[in-house]
Amino acid sequence: GQNIDQPTEMTATEGAIVQINCTYQTSGFNGLFWYQQHAGEAPTFLSYNVLDGLEEKGRFSSFLSRSKGYSYLLLKELQMKDSASYLCAVRDSGGYQKVTFGTGTKLQVIP
Amino acid sequence: GAGVSQSPSNKVTEKGKDVELRCDPISGHTALYWYRQSLGQGLEFLIYFQGNSAPDKSGLPSDRFSAERTGGSVSTLTIQRTQQEDSAVYLCASSLGTVYNEQFFGPGTRLTVL
Repeated sequence: GQNIDQPTEMTATEGAIVQINCTYQTSGFNGLFWYQQHAGEAPTFLSYNVLDGLEEKGRFSSFLSRSKGYSYLLLKELQMKDSASYLCAVRDSGGYQKVTFGTGTKLQVIP
Repeated sequence: GAGVSQSPSNKVTEKGKDVELRCDPISGHTALYWYRQSLGQGLEFLIYFQGNSAPDKSGLPSDRFSAERTGGSVSTLTIQRTQQEDSAVYLCASSLGTVYNEQFFGPGTRLTVL
């Protein structure tokens, strides 16, 4: 099974940089996802890491260390619209390839 | 093409009644997931279908919950004898399977059990 931990809430200032951490303990690992979810809406895909290192996509970057069971999502040049929950999810390496989500980190961006 | 659709968007029912929630995945997506999300909480995994394999039902909270997927496409989640704690948003997601696993989520069904 999977055990995924994220901070519950974070606050950051508009224009700043924020790092949202995710740690996981798994019986098998075959990739980690980050999703963004605005209040009252469905989650939308942000990034996918399966190898160690940093994946950059515009203002968002995601990092993975498989040996440490650790990932982070880095948001640069924060905008008010970035206020949302950020969900870390891990995919099994077993036959089912199931994806399990963490409880999410609610980010509030303040002026 | 069209995204994942779910129906109904809202469902209000009385305690003890049965409900059926429907999910139409993106055409060609072999993987289909059901999640439950209570207010302000994360996604709780319920069940996962992958192609023609037997579904992973390990997240279903009780035997009142069941799901099926007909013809590898449309899925129905059934909750029997609903309880007030079943009130939540039920989200369906589909993906292309094991090749590239980005999940596309439907808008969800908000279930309220009175």
